[in-house]
Parts: sequence; structure tokens; C-alpha cells
Amino acid sequence: EPEVTQTPSHQVTQMGQEVILRCVPISNHLYFYWYRQILGQKVEFLVSFYNNEISEKSEIFDDQFSVERPDGSNFTLKIRSTKLEDSAMYFCASWGAKTEAFFGQGTRLTVV
Amino acid sequence: AQSVSQHNHHVILSEAASLELGCNYSYGGTVNLFWYVQYPGQHLQLLLKYFSGDPLVKGIKGFEAEFIKSKFSFNLRKPSVQWSDTAEYFCAVNEAAGNKLTFGGGTRVLVKP
Repeated sequence: EPEVTQTPSHQVTQMGQEVILRCVPISNHLYFYWYRQILGQKVEFLVSFYNNEISEKSEIFDDQFSVERPDGSNFTLKIRSTKLEDSAMYFCASWGAKTEAFFGQGTRLTVV
Repeated sequence: AQSVSQHNHHVILSEAASLELGCNYSYGGTVNLFWYVQYPGQHLQLLLKYFSGDPLVKGIKGFEAEFIKSKFSFNLRKPSVQWSDTAEYFCAVNEAAGNKLTFGGGTRVLVKP
């Protein structure tokens, strides 16, 4: 079965540092997403990406966040200057035509 | 804006009991509906989905869900749960294929052996 892979599985970073979370979506999928889940809270949409540009973003996705698909396979989420409240599980997902979203295993980000 | 609500945050039941998890959404237009499951330490996996057609949808592992348009509901059911069904279950909605998913708050299900 095709799968979305994310690295690293766990990242610890100091407040104010930049982090890059990496995802390899399913190869023939067209839509890519980042979601996050703060411990004990619901899964929240951050951003969607289609045709090499952001198609939608949430209020959470402020100027500290950016996404890139640098080489046609990886899909990255960058947080420029992490805050304590950025600590969460970050999920990447991709969507093919008329199917459903496939999610990666997630990256647990801990900001200290 | 869409919202999705799941009625129960925690459910505890014994093996062989029947399970029903409620999900309601608020959106007046056509929607696609999903149930995802997250087993401990694992990623979100699709249990079942509804795009159109028969409102009673059968998914994996013996789960099914019924879309009742008039009630804006998409409740998940399983007639007889197993210990391995212990997980968190998420209802999700989107407006069209490829659009963002809006998730409910999740329901943690604990099945006691």
C-alpha cells in the first residue's frame, strides 16, 4: 500500500530556533497538506498545497510558517522561530484523484 | 465555515459490545465524509468514506457508518468490538475532493478485554 513518510519522527528544538519538517507524499498525488495536533486537542488544518503553490491556509499558518516542494518529491514545513506553543504532532497528508487523504506517521515537535 | 462535532470524548466498553460514535457537521452544501482511526503510536488511517450513493457505508475491520443528510450526521458503528479496536476515532468532512479536511475533536475508545 502506498504511504506518506515523514522525518524526523521526533524533533526537540529550543525556542526561537528554526525547524524543518520533511514529508514524502505519495508520488502521483496532487494535493498536499500539513495538519497539527496539540496534545489532547483536535487535528487542525494548517495549509494545503496544489500545483506548486499554497491553495489554502488557516489562521495558524502565520508568517513564521512556510512550505516548499523543492524537488518534486519532498514537501517541507518550516517554522522560522519556534515558540513553546508550536509543540505538537505535525502530520503531512497527500490526496490523489477521488480517493482520500493519506497521512504520514507524524513528527512530534517539542519546543523547549 | 465547516465544523464537525463528535459527541463523546471517551468511550469505555467491553469486548463484544456494540459501538456507536456520533458525528455531526455543519455545512449546508455537498460534503464528503470520513472516519479515520489512530491506533496508539500510529498515524491516521482511513476506516471508511462517503462521497455519494448508498448512505450506508461499509469500511474496514467491520466498521460501518450511515450518512443521514437531514440530520447532518455520519455516525460510526461496529456491532461487536474487539480489544484491538482500542484507538482514537476521528470524523472528518470536506467540501470536495482535494479540499482540506475539517476534523472533529476525536473520541478515545477503550475496549476492555
